[in-house]
Amino acid sequence: DQQVKQNSPSLSVQEGRISILNCDYTNSMFDYFLWYKKYPAEGPTFLISISSIKDKNEDGRFTVFLNKSAKHLSLHIVPSQPGDSAVYFCAASATSGTYKYIFGTGTRLKVLA
Amino acid sequence: GAVVSQHPSRVICKSGTSVKIECRSLDFQATTMFWYRQFPKQSLMLMATSNEGSKATYEQGVEKDKFLINHASLTLSTLTVTSAHPEDSSFYICSSPGGLNNEQFFGPGTRLTVL
Repeated sequence: DQQVKQNSPSLSVQEGRISILNCDYTNSMFDYFLWYKKYPAEGPTFLISISSIKDKNEDGRFTVFLNKSAKHLSLHIVPSQPGDSAVYFCAASATSGTYKYIFGTGTRLKVLA
Repeated sequence: GAVVSQHPSRVICKSGTSVKIECRSLDFQATTMFWYRQFPKQSLMLMATSNEGSKATYEQGVEKDKFLINHASLTLSTLTVTSAHPEDSSFYICSSPGGLNNEQFFGPGTRLTVL
């Protein structure tokens, strides 16, 4: 049972345009969400997070939106750059102090120059 | 952020042999480390939680006798894949929690190929 789903395995976007990566979850106990970026043969690196008490968090070109009623979050990257090409994972946790995250299956973003 | 290293980055071994993967926290002390496995085009799957000075906690379906975890110091956790078989071929990644954003710091991963 996949509790965190990223239904788009891949996405191609033109440089300078907006990239929107989506993530859905099923467990209503999740109250903290993160996005990680991963290059081939490397470990994931943290991008941005959001708590369930918020519906938006912004950091530079990256914005995460959370829709709790729909159990949906999205990552917006604008403007997209070729260096953003990577696999993006969303992750969710119930912050009961365990730091245990459930990861989605990832979306491969390709930004075309 | 904090730096986590893994060694080796890539290992190829024969079926039936054992392989040890090291995960080190370079600039901080890690009382907890997580071990993940990632198959191609799939998600990161948590295998176990390693705690310094105590036994690891394994996720359901992970054989603790096959995947031996030792966390003997605050900067080193090891994962030993015993009697490896081709189906154990995967990308193994460790991480340590503790970022200001509740994030985990990941190592670069180890690609294991069992022939």
